[in-house]
Amino acid sequence: DTEVTQTPKHLVMGMTNKKSLKCEQHMGHRAMYWYKQKAKKPPELMFVYSYEKLSINESVPSRFSPECPNSSLLNLHLHALQPEDSALYLCASSQTTQGSQPQHFGDGTRLSIL
Amino acid sequence: GQNIDQPTEMTATEGAIVQINCTYQTSGFNGLFWYQQHAGEAPTFLSYNVLDGLEEKGRFSSFLSRSKGYSYLLLKELQMKDSASYLCAVRDNYGGATNKLIFGTGTLLAVQP
Repeated sequence: DTEVTQTPKHLVMGMTNKKSLKCEQHMGHRAMYWYKQKAKKPPELMFVYSYEKLSINESVPSRFSPECPNSSLLNLHLHALQPEDSALYLCASSQTTQGSQPQHFGDGTRLSIL
Repeated sequence: GQNIDQPTEMTATEGAIVQINCTYQTSGFNGLFWYQQHAGEAPTFLSYNVLDGLEEKGRFSSFLSRSKGYSYLLLKELQMKDSASYLCAVRDNYGGATNKLIFGTGTLLAVQP
């Protein structure tokens, strides 16, 4: 079990659907991250939130829309996804974006686009 | 540019020692992390180096040479459960405001009886 909780664990959706991925942590961390990971590849950074404000967007297509409603929650809203978006989506958090604190990862949401 | 290299796969024997190397070229450097990831699971933090030298943590040790852009992870007394992917990640200073983690390609370690 990890201290970063992601729901759902699995999601299958069509290309016209709208769905959301959720991430929650109660460690008091003020930095939260979304990563995308394809099979046998390392995680690729998508977004960074620092103190509930978006600080990095790695040129992610607009069909992915992040939201940080409060310091414990991070959402990723999905709309009109493509089959190549099928991947494991990992959420992570750290105390801040600075210093030596490691990022703690959730177990991820495995997303399949039909 | 950003480049972090690791061997793709390694095989070792239970009870032995294995060293996983990582070389990096990044525009900034603010620390290097090692993570372990079992198939289908979350990456878990193993070690952190920001100064040159060796950091030891039980069966795992990590070494850093900033001048050479080089790190290694040393695993001793290998166990079957150590079979996993090992990810080297550099914290790069992103325009001075926010550090971001850049992951290497990962090394898939197979521990054999």
